Amino acid sequence: AQSVTQLGSHVSVSEGALVLLRCNYSSSVPPYLFWYVQYPNQGLQLLLKYTSAATLVKGINGFEAEFKKSETSFHLTKPSAHMSDAAEYFCAVTANFGNEKLTFGTGTRLTIIP
Amino acid sequence: DTGVSQDPRHKITKRGQNVTFRCDPISEHNRLYWYRQTLGQGPEFLTYFQNEAQLEKSRLLSDRFSAERPKGSFSTLEIQRTEQGDSAMYLCASSLPLGLAGGSTDTQYFGPGTRLTVL
Repeated sequence: AQSVTQLGSHVSVSEGALVLLRCNYSSSVPPYLFWYVQYPNQGLQLLLKYTSAATLVKGINGFEAEFKKSETSFHLTKPSAHMSDAAEYFCAVTANFGNEKLTFGTGTRLTIIP
Repeated sequence: DTGVSQDPRHKITKRGQNVTFRCDPISEHNRLYWYRQTLGQGPEFLTYFQNEAQLEKSRLLSDRFSAERPKGSFSTLEIQRTEQGDSAMYLCASSLPLGLAGGSTDTQYFGPGTRLTVL
């Protein structure tokens, strides 16, 4: 069984400040981990994914995440927040032995303060 | 690549009515997934297909729900005798065939969703 926990349902940062969204996972098998972003009334767009290659993963829009097995974490960061980053962010996990179903966290709503 | 499309985008229905949603995956994607997302929650897995075969169904998928993918291309999700608790966003996603994705797991590409409101 797999699960993810996203700490903080709401995060607010000032424009230009560091963005840090937290995700911890639980998995009985080596996981594949994903971050998706969802804008209002839209589907999910992939930001980045970890698939057991490099532990530091770079994604779109300046986001990156680091897989830390010892901490069972996959936190999402961006050095400088932009107003357009305001959205809902979801961490997800799947097993790494096939195109398996995704198990999502409950999401973190990111607000950017001008 | 036209992306995953879903129709309709919005559906309002009265309790007890049947509704059907359609999903058209990215061409050549043989895996197709359905998820449900309620307000303030992450998407929850409902079911998935590989080609026309339905490989897994969640316990969330009650007997009132049925999904099909008759020719391995588009899929439909039908809800019979809708209840107010069925109100949610229904998301469809598709992914590349195993072995062609440069790894054992590839990205699931999501459609815009169908928002269902049951009055």
